Amino acid sequence: GQNIDQPTEMTATEGAIVQINCTYQTSGFNGLFWYQQHAGEAPTFLSYNVLDGLEEKGRFSSFLSRSKGYSYLLLKELQMKDSASYLCAVRDLGSGYALNFGKGTSLLVTP
Amino acid sequence: DAGVIQSPRHEVTEMGQEVTLRCKPISGHDYLFWYRQTMMRGLELLIYFNNNVPIDDSGMPEDRFSAKMPNASFSTLKIQPSEPRDSAVYFCASSPRDRGFGELFFGEGSRLTVL
Repeated sequence: GQNIDQPTEMTATEGAIVQINCTYQTSGFNGLFWYQQHAGEAPTFLSYNVLDGLEEKGRFSSFLSRSKGYSYLLLKELQMKDSASYLCAVRDLGSGYALNFGKGTSLLVTP
Repeated sequence: DAGVIQSPRHEVTEMGQEVTLRCKPISGHDYLFWYRQTMMRGLELLIYFNNNVPIDDSGMPEDRFSAKMPNASFSTLKIQPSEPRDSAVYFCASSPRDRGFGELFFGEGSRLTVL
């Protein structure tokens, strides 16, 4: 299995940039995912990394370093609607096709 | 395309009662997952199926929990007898093999409260 660690809570200001970190330990890394979950709703897919480097998608970017077991999600030009929980998830060769999720980082965007 | 459909959305029951949660995956998806989410433990994998066959049920808490997938368009998660500690949001998700990134598509969840 994996240990997936991410901060419990973060607060940032509207219009600013925030970086949410995720560290993991795995025996057979096979991809890292970021999901967004608004309160009372289902998690929705944001990004995927399997090779080292940065993947950019609009205001959101995700970075991966496999050697360090580290990823971050970068959110730019924060909007109030970005207030949500952000879940880091890892796919491991040992656990087949399933994703193992961290406990999530609750992000509050303030005016 | 319709997304993953779960029912019921909310269920309140008393300890000892049987609970059945239902899921219809996205058509054409090969994988179906059942997860449970609580504040304390986050999203935990319970079981997943590939082409209707259970692949990994190591996350199922105990014998009170069972899951079936009789065909490609339907799955159930049953708890019998239910206990207060089973209170959680239960998510079903499906995923297509060899398309996209293999990301999971989640249903809206079934919020279970056991009194």
